[in-house]
Amino acid sequence: DIQMTQSPSSLSASVGDRVTITCQASQAIGNYLNWYHQKPGKAPDLVIYDASNLQTGVTTRFSGTGSGADFTFTISSLQPEDLGTYYCQQYDHLPITFGGGTTVEI
Amino acid sequence: QVHLQESGPGLVKPSETLSLTCTVSSGSINSYYWNWIRQSPGKGLEWIGEVYSSGNTNYNPSLKSRVTISVDTSKSQFSLRMTSVTAADTAVYYCARGVWRDLDYWGQGALVTVSS
Repeated sequence: DIQMTQSPSSLSASVGDRVTITCQASQAIGNYLNWYHQKPGKAPDLVIYDASNLQTGVTTRFSGTGSGADFTFTISSLQPEDLGTYYCQQYDHLPITFGGGTTVEI
Repeated sequence: QVHLQESGPGLVKPSETLSLTCTVSSGSINSYYWNWIRQSPGKGLEWIGEVYSSGNTNYNPSLKSRVTISVDTSKSQFSLRMTSVTAADTAVYYCARGVWRDLDYWGQGALVTVSS
């Protein structure tokens, strides 16, 4: 299985801060990488697909970059509704695997 | 707006079989991948497997010996069956639609507790 390592596992930031989360795959996965945002008590929402494409209806504060094995998710200006846990997901090889998550606190 | 809803028993005894159904509404079940993902309490996400609308399946090798996923397009439903459950299978079980492997719509989740 491809292992996905996210860092940090948690962070605390202030409204308006720029927040960056990294995700590293145990082998190259091209751009077959998605990002999800899970608010407390809710199902995850797809926010970035194919490493850098913003899902329809998602705030432009969110962005993603990277290819190969190293990826980055950025929130340009943190807002209260951005709290929750962010997960990366690879789908280059089955089984689909997720990173361990990054919990964002405000 | 596509809507997915999980249904099934919230309590299953150890060694018995977990069965969940996901009903898809406000959208077609055809030409998509339909997935099951679980999240143990306080833990991350684990992909269980998928079924394409044609019935083709893929499973996580770690669960493959105990899992069956099937689809009934006439009812716009797909189902998860997991045998020989233990306490380690206690989790929130989500169903999700896959556009290829982009999981764009999710159900609200169903908590399944394994306990005698």
